[in-house]
Parts: sequence; structure tokens; C-alpha cells
Amino acid sequence: VQLQQWGAGLLKPSETLSLTCAVYGESFTDYYWSWFRQPPGKSLEWIGEINQAANTNKNPSLKSRVSLSIDTSKTQFSLMMTSLTAADTAVYFCAKGVSRWGPGTLVVVSA
Amino acid sequence: DIVLTQNPVSLSVTPGQPASISCKSSQSLVHGNGNTYLYWFLQRPGQSPQLLIYEVSRLFTGVSDRFSGSGSGTDFTLMISRVEAEDVGVYYCMQGVSLPLTFGGGTRVDIE
Repeated sequence: VQLQQWGAGLLKPSETLSLTCAVYGESFTDYYWSWFRQPPGKSLEWIGEINQAANTNKNPSLKSRVSLSIDTSKTQFSLMMTSLTAADTAVYFCAKGVSRWGPGTLVVVSA
Repeated sequence: DIVLTQNPVSLSVTPGQPASISCKSSQSLVHGNGNTYLYWFLQRPGQSPQLLIYEVSRLFTGVSDRFSGSGSGTDFTLMISRVEAEDVGVYYCMQGVSLPLTFGGGTRVDIE
């Protein structure tokens, strides 16, 4: 399985982050597809997960600002996060569960 | 949320020597189904995390058998039998017994 991710890397405070992850070489069935993030120099944080049926689980600390979606026809899943602040500056990773991770996208929130 | 505490924070190892990393959980990681959901990852410099071990001691596909995991309940250990240059990076433990998934603070391993 390979994961390729993309999205805007420089955003202003109060804007919305939008990232998409494409999955190659793997079926969408039977797995949860996850998002994580890692602020510079810090540990990892789980954002949430979605499955083929669009059932989601989200980190309560981010739940009010996070939307997850999935497009099974394109084998893609997406993350949106609203009301960004500088504290949301991080590398964002998509993953198949926890077993295979995408390369990461650096998102910087700055005025 | 479950808090994971890793020790040491950093480790410098001579090639060929063993290394050990501890991960202690604020709660038991034993699920009601009897499985224990403790994972270990390695994040090499500039790369994304890669899964090494799942469910305490199960080696993920393609991972060297120099890596092994042990422990139970709230106390876990990752062991590297003979450290090699490619093992340099930050190691993280993660719990999957309850949401939200949470990670330890990381242990940086380098070569002397």
C-alpha cells in the first residue's frame, strides 16, 4: 500500500485546513483510515479516523473543528480543520490505521 | 486520556550493543477481549513513523528480528539486540486500547 497526500501548506489564522490522502494498492474495506499530526520538535497526536462506511472517530480535543470524509470511488480520504491558529502548525500524516503512513504535509499557520 | 511515559528521553549506543526503551502507561492497556494494544514506532530523521511492533510483541511485516517487545498491563519495553546505524531516530510507543489514541513523548536514539 502507498499513500500520497496533498493540501495547502501555508494558511492564515482563522482559515481552514484541507488535506487529501490517496491510497494506492489497497482496498478501502476492513480498515480505518487515520490522520495524525506532529508539531515541530514534538510527539505525535491522533486527529481521527474514518472507515469505508464513513463512520468516524475523532480526538475530543479537536472534534469541534475537524471533519473527515471519504471517497471510495477514488480511494481517497480527506481532513478539514477549521478556525486554525498557530498552535495547529504541524506535519500532518495520513495512515492506514497505524500500520502504513503517508509522507506527511507541513502545514504552517501564520499571519 | 491515557498518558504514556517513555524513558530514557535520549540514548547513545555503540554499534553492535543492545538498547532498551521503557514505556509506562497511566492505565492498563489490556482490552476486554484479552489483547494488549501497545505499539512501537521508529521515526527516522525526516521520515514518517514506521510501525515496528504491535500488540506488545508482534513484529510487523519486514521489521528486523533485532527488535523485540515485552511487557504487560502498564509496563512495556522495546529492545534492540544489536544496534545498527539504520536504527537512529526517535522511537515512540502508542496505546490503542481506548480512544483517543495517545503516544509517548519519544526516545531519541543515536550512535556513539
